[in-house]
Amino acid sequence: DAGVIQSPRHEVTEMGQEVTLRCKPISGHDYLFWYRQTMMRGLELLIYFNNNVPIDDSGMPEDRFSAKMPNASFSTLKIQPSEPRDSAVYFCASSQTSERAEQYFGPGTRLTVT
Amino acid sequence: AQSVAQPEDQVNVAEGNPLTVKCTYSVSGNPYLFWYVQYPNRGLQFLLKYITGDNLVKGSYGFEAEFNKSQTSFHLKKPTALVSDYALYFCAVRDIQAGTALIFGKGTTLSVSS
Repeated sequence: DAGVIQSPRHEVTEMGQEVTLRCKPISGHDYLFWYRQTMMRGLELLIYFNNNVPIDDSGMPEDRFSAKMPNASFSTLKIQPSEPRDSAVYFCASSQTSERAEQYFGPGTRLTVT
Repeated sequence: AQSVAQPEDQVNVAEGNPLTVKCTYSVSGNPYLFWYVQYPNRGLQFLLKYITGDNLVKGSYGFEAEFNKSQTSFHLKKPTALVSDYALYFCAVRDIQAGTALIFGKGTTLSVSS
């Protein structure tokens, strides 16, 4: 299995632009998570899905952030409009349906907003 | 509410010596506990987990962790540190009764000197 796939790996954009991050979870995993990592805040859970349905989006910082999961093999995290304070590494992770199951993380997307 | 604490931002150890990375947690019910490692510029990788049973859990790369219910701790250990163990280590907890998502600690950087 290729693991969790994220694209792009690096994104540099100007303030005000729309940014879309993409994630393909591991096949057969029912849960998908989006995290953001910064030096100041550490690792933050933004939102997670179960069977393509958003379960908890309380970590989404603002209305500028939105996430979708149109099918079991694809999810997007969109920021519109982007701001410099959104600069971070964004991770996607997936896991099987079990409270005991560990999460598998993708390599991350490093976003820089200038 | 559930929480997890990693009291040390950084742990320094000499190569060949034993290492310990500390983690304490707070949950209202019984916990599932996890350790993850993040090598430089990489995503998080699962190391080991405690679900039930033996309090000493063995994981990848020679790491182990001991669950101590009375002290609400789940410290990560390794008998012999390697320079290649340099990474950021995250402890995470899930409250079984609360049915919430995994909560991560802030992370501890392990530095190993040769």
